[in-house]
Amino acid sequence: GAVVSQHPSRVICKSGTSVKIECRSLDFQATTMFWYRQFPKQSLMLMATSNEGSKATYEQGVEKDKFLINHASLTLSTLTVTSAHPEDSSFYICSRQGSSYNEQFFGPGTRLTVL
Amino acid sequence: GNSVTQMEGPVTLSEEAFLTINCTYTATGYPSLFWYVQYPGEGLQLLLKATKADDKGSNKGFEATYRKETTSFHLEKGSVQVSDSAVYFCALSEPLYNFNKFYFGSGTKLNVKP
Repeated sequence: GAVVSQHPSRVICKSGTSVKIECRSLDFQATTMFWYRQFPKQSLMLMATSNEGSKATYEQGVEKDKFLINHASLTLSTLTVTSAHPEDSSFYICSRQGSSYNEQFFGPGTRLTVL
Repeated sequence: GNSVTQMEGPVTLSEEAFLTINCTYTATGYPSLFWYVQYPGEGLQLLLKATKADDKGSNKGFEATYRKETTSFHLEKGSVQVSDSAVYFCALSEPLYNFNKFYFGSGTKLNVKP
């Protein structure tokens, strides 16, 4: 069964509003979780690494103030898209690290559409 | 830097046909290589992996061999089924501090017709 869940699976919002996406590790306490963004017909791009109890590490070019990440517990990481604009419309996928560093388990993704 | 290139899709095959999805990579170190599969409405699932040169990953009839000399990790299956219809992602990972960073190809959609 699924080991990582995401909520919501789809969200439509108006431009200028903020949207929060939750990522839960269902079977494992995850100190490290990851957020990816996937554009149509393109690869997954790592946005940031979410570290429990500390600040997230963002990839180059990702706006920290635009994509707020909170990893307040060992089973939950949230991504908040602030003041969303149509260009933020995308598929957002989270993952958690497995028992080895060379392993990740992925959530089903969240489709964000900003009107 | 690190990157993964895989063949564009969609790939359309008849049931029981032979499948090859090409994947090549560039890496600065000694990466591990992966194939993930994404079924409609679901998350990425690990299909197979290889952690060093000449290793062969296999699962559910799919195979891929880590070829360092050609920097390739092509996915193959001898006889595809309709249920194999999905998007396939090639990926590599490199060690980075206390976790591995993953790089993905753009995905190849496979359609298998009965």
